[in-house]
Amino acid sequence: EVQLVQSGAEVKKPGATVKISCTVSGYTFTDYYMHWVQQAPGKGLEWMGLVDPEDGETMFAEKFQGRVTITADTSTDTTYMELSSLRSEDTAVYYCATGAGTWSPDYWGQGTLVTVSS
Amino acid sequence: QSALTQPASVSGSPGQSITISCTGTSSDVGGYNYVSWYQQHAGKAPKVMIYDVSKRPSGVSNRFSGSKSGNTASLTISGLQAEDEADYYCCSYTSRSTVVFGGGTKLTVL
Repeated sequence: EVQLVQSGAEVKKPGATVKISCTVSGYTFTDYYMHWVQQAPGKGLEWMGLVDPEDGETMFAEKFQGRVTITADTSTDTTYMELSSLRSEDTAVYYCATGAGTWSPDYWGQGTLVTVSS
Repeated sequence: QSALTQPASVSGSPGQSITISCTGTSSDVGGYNYVSWYQQHAGKAPKVMIYDVSKRPSGVSNRFSGSKSGNTASLTISGLQAEDEADYYCCSYTSRSTVVFGGGTKLTVL
């Protein structure tokens, strides 16, 4: 059974950096891209970027370029999403998602709530 | 990359059919057969209902179908059921090798 388990909720101050982990099991980690998706309270889904765990190659949405880093650790089957220069608008649930559908991930983590507040 | 355009809300009665549209450009929806649709119930992670424009994952009801014409993709749900009430998002691959979501559509089953 494919499982994606994300790290717990975070509270950060404006200007800080948050790093969220997503540990997978049930499939070969390097077989599928890992996507990260942001969902602000009451808002829609916003794609942030992805990493190819096989070679570490990344792609990012223009909106997050320069502020987001996504990495993959093949020794622990874990991907990390780091978002810097946090502002109140970054308060959101962040999901990792993967699957055989390269551009339509079908396995999702449980989500991690990040609250940015002074 | 602008979000794909979806209606904010649609509604239908049990047993009826509804269609949700998703309009993009030739750089995303119109240029590739990589359109997917996600269902999201409140407080839950999204679930893929359609991928590659019209393919249905194993376990998804055949009441859900997808299609595309030009720069507009569509999700049709037939035989509406109360459990279909949720938010629906379209999603497309883009020419920049990125992904873009639609703004989301709230489906209300009357």
